[in-house]
Amino acid sequence: SQTIHQWPATLVQPVGSPLSLECTVEGTSNPNLYWYRQAAGRGLQLLFYSVGIGQISSEVPQNLSASRPQDRQFILSSKKLLLSDSGFYLCAWRWGRGTEEQYFGPGTRLTVT
Amino acid sequence: KQEVTQIPAALSVPEGENLVLNCSFTDSAIYNLQWFRQDPGKGLTSLLLIQSSQREQTSGRLNASLDKSSGRSTLYIAASQPGDSATYLCAVRHWGSGGYNKLIFGAGTRLAVHP
Repeated sequence: SQTIHQWPATLVQPVGSPLSLECTVEGTSNPNLYWYRQAAGRGLQLLFYSVGIGQISSEVPQNLSASRPQDRQFILSSKKLLLSDSGFYLCAWRWGRGTEEQYFGPGTRLTVT
Repeated sequence: KQEVTQIPAALSVPEGENLVLNCSFTDSAIYNLQWFRQDPGKGLTSLLLIQSSQREQTSGRLNASLDKSSGRSTLYIAASQPGDSATYLCAVRHWGSGGYNKLIFGAGTRLAVHP
């Protein structure tokens, strides 16, 4: 069976500090990978999408970036965090390019102080 | 632009009631619709996936219907239990501007089932 992991589970970082969140998927190969942000009182916003190693599509302009150094590893980064980057970050995966079900990780709660 | 709306935003019911959660979307050109459950501080758990060619899907006490032409879906929860308390999210898979299909989410319905 497939599992998706995210770490850390929670993070408190000062404004201007760097960020690195990691997501890994087990039990599948060549998955589509996604990063979402869920801000308080708002819906889920898609941030990045990847169909393969080194292939990243960005949904919205921001000070965040994503990388996929390995097939089942997806990393969300920032060089300098803003207060507005606070939120709940969710990684998700889906197999295939069609209409398959999408699965989410446990999330990382980021608080920028 | 695809927009997904969920009504009601919050719902509080006594245990044992049958519930209907509503989801509407503005563009009927969807690939599928997925219902998720989210517990506080947790990730999303997929409940049901309805392909655009299907009318409904069932899993245990949950039944989801899809009327693509009218842009509506309902999630029916039978004999609600306190353990059903969570936020329920509806999402449609839609062709995005980036050249790929993606999930568009509603804001969710926060459900509380009290004993």
